[in-house]
Amino acid sequence: EAQVTQNPRYLITVTGKKLTVTCSQNMNHEYMSWYRQDPGLGLRQIYYSMNVEVTDKGDVPEGYKVSRKEKRNFPLILESPSPNQTSLYFCASSLGGLANEKLFFGSGTQLSVL
Amino acid sequence: QKEVEQNSGPLSVPEGAIASLNCTYSDRGSQSFFWYRQYSGKSPELIMSIYSNGDKEDGRFTAQLNKASQYVSLLIRDSQPSDSATYLCAAEKGAAGNKLTFGGGTRVLVKP
Repeated sequence: EAQVTQNPRYLITVTGKKLTVTCSQNMNHEYMSWYRQDPGLGLRQIYYSMNVEVTDKGDVPEGYKVSRKEKRNFPLILESPSPNQTSLYFCASSLGGLANEKLFFGSGTQLSVL
Repeated sequence: QKEVEQNSGPLSVPEGAIASLNCTYSDRGSQSFFWYRQYSGKSPELIMSIYSNGDKEDGRFTAQLNKASQYVSLLIRDSQPSDSATYLCAAEKGAAGNKLTFGGGTRVLVKP
C-alpha cells in the first residue's frame, strides 16, 4: 500500500532533550516536506527536500533540522526542543514539485514538550 | 496579513444545500492552488487543484479562481454530513513552486 509513515504517533518529552521524528515513503517520491499544524494557524512548512541531499527551509525552520540521505526517508530532528514546539507535525511527499502534484500526508505526530 | 486567508467558521450548512468557502492570497506570483479536506484527528487529503482562472468541476465540488482579485473559492453542492470537516486552502509559492502555504482552514458542519 502506497503510504507515508511517521513515527511516533504521540510523543511527550521535556525541554532540551533531543528527539527525532521519522518519516518514510514507499512511493519513490522526489519531494518530501515537514509541516506543523497549530490551532488557527493552519499548516506551516518547516523544511522541504526536492531530492536526496537537497533540503531547503520553509517558513518556520528555526529549531529544526532535517536530512535526506535516502530517497525514502526524511527525519525531523529537534536538537533542543522547547515548549513552543508543542504541535501536530505532518510529513508529506509528492512525486515531483508542488505545482502540479498531489501531496500525500502521513498520519501525524502529536508532540508535547514540557 | 497572512499569505493565505480563510474564514475559520464554523460554516453551518443544511444537508443538501450548497456550501461556499472562500480564500484570498497575497502572493501575486502564486500559480497553483489547492483545496485539502481534513477530518478531525486525520491528515489532510487533496480534493481539488486549480491553475487557471475560471471554474473547475469534479463531482460535487467546484473550485473557482480569480487571479486578478487573488481569490479562490470552493463550492460543495448537495452537501452531506460526511462533508463535515475542515477545508484548507493552499497556494504554491517560491521561484520553483516548491513551497506550499496553507490558510488556517474553514470548518464546515453539515446538519441533517
